[in-house]
Amino acid sequence: NFMLTQPHSVSESPGKTVTISCTRSSGSIVSNSVQWYQQRPGSSPITVISDDNQRPSGVPDRFSGSIDISANSASLTISGLKTEDEADYYCQCYDSDDRHVVFGGGTKLTVL
Amino acid sequence: QVQLVQSGAEVKKPGASVKVSCKTSGYTFSAYYIHWVRQAPGQGLEWMGWINPSSGATNYAQKFKGRVTMTRDASISTAYMELSGLRSDDTAVYYCARDPRSIADAGPYNCFDSWGQGTLVTVSS
Repeated sequence: NFMLTQPHSVSESPGKTVTISCTRSSGSIVSNSVQWYQQRPGSSPITVISDDNQRPSGVPDRFSGSIDISANSASLTISGLKTEDEADYYCQCYDSDDRHVVFGGGTKLTVL
Repeated sequence: QVQLVQSGAEVKKPGASVKVSCKTSGYTFSAYYIHWVRQAPGQGLEWMGWINPSSGATNYAQKFKGRVTMTRDASISTAYMELSGLRSDDTAVYYCARDPRSIADAGPYNCFDSWGQGTLVTVSS
């Protein structure tokens, strides 16, 4: 039984780069793949990163995912920020011991 | 293209039940697991469970066991989620979402590649 912890909010200026972290509380971050979802206000989530670092078709290459084993965390990096990137971002993983899906608490990205 | 279209908003009294539908199109319904995820107002995402549309097998999150029932009608490519014993803290948007792994390949991949538009369920006396 583990948790995924994300910062509550981050903000950055257009054109800059921002990184959102997702730290796993127990067990190895590489035990199960990590996904990232973007949710704009009033909309359903969409996948921006799957399998730790894979971009689904249609997702700009400004979005990238990575794993830091030493920190037991995953990260979502968005470069060349645009105002349209302003949204909530959720990391997600699977707990294979308890057979349930785990979401991080979400990070509100403000692009100002 | 893959589409998941959910039923409309519901208002229910405490103690009642609600049944939300998720009609799919653009792919073979019985070939991919369907998950249900909810989101309370201003809160994060919470996974409720999945159904195998081919066999009807289910896996529910511990929190919802005994209160949630997931079913399907393959003849109309539709999945259902019924939640009973509603409380005010069940007020949320309920989403169906498709698992990206084909059932023929293995168990669910336990992530989501397509989502429904969401159904707001309001529980209020």
